Amino acid sequence: AQSVSQHNHHVILSEAASLELGCNYSYGGTVNLFWYVQYPGQHLQLLLKYFSGDPLVKGIKGFEAEFIKSKFSFNLRKPSVQWSDTAEYFCAVSAYSSASKIIFGSGTRLSIRP
Amino acid sequence: NAGVTQTPKFQVLKTGQSMTLQCAQDMNHNSMYWYRQDPGMGLRLIYYSASEGTTDKGEVPNGYNVSRLNKREFSLRLESAAPSQTSVYFCASSESGDVGYGYTFGSGTRLTVV
Repeated sequence: AQSVSQHNHHVILSEAASLELGCNYSYGGTVNLFWYVQYPGQHLQLLLKYFSGDPLVKGIKGFEAEFIKSKFSFNLRKPSVQWSDTAEYFCAVSAYSSASKIIFGSGTRLSIRP
Repeated sequence: NAGVTQTPKFQVLKTGQSMTLQCAQDMNHNSMYWYRQDPGMGLRLIYYSASEGTTDKGEVPNGYNVSRLNKREFSLRLESAAPSQTSVYFCASSESGDVGYGYTFGSGTRLTVV
């Protein structure tokens, strides 16, 4: 069965700082990978996703993630964060061939100081 | 607007009471899911329905039952609520058994069991 680990539980940054959130997954086969964001009081929204092809994936709001197969990693990056990026971020994985379910990591809370 | 609708948004139950959380989607999605979200634990899959007429257990099914009433609706029932079931519950749907497109989430139900 697949699983996801997010190394940072809470990250605090100042505006304009660069961001990198770590994500590692455990699964021996082909995977789909996702990053979701949850703004305070809201439901989860898809930031970006990887199916296949170019391992550098660009998402909404200037976020990107890089799939490194040899490291089983899918880290999220943003060159310059804004106060409005304050949210909780979830990495998630689904097995490419299995019937329909996504497994989520425990989340990373991102706080941005104005 | 098209999407996933959950009712109720908030609920307080006494230990031992029962209730049903409702979820409906109007995107003609085949697959539907119930997750619970707890601090520091991310989202954990309770049950899912890959297609109308089928349901399967997820990571944490104990204490819950589900019904896929039709293609649109997927309900979650707590037969005898326990304080450990205090959580935020999210319903989600996806287009097909291949979840590579990701999920669309509802806005959540905040349940407190006292």
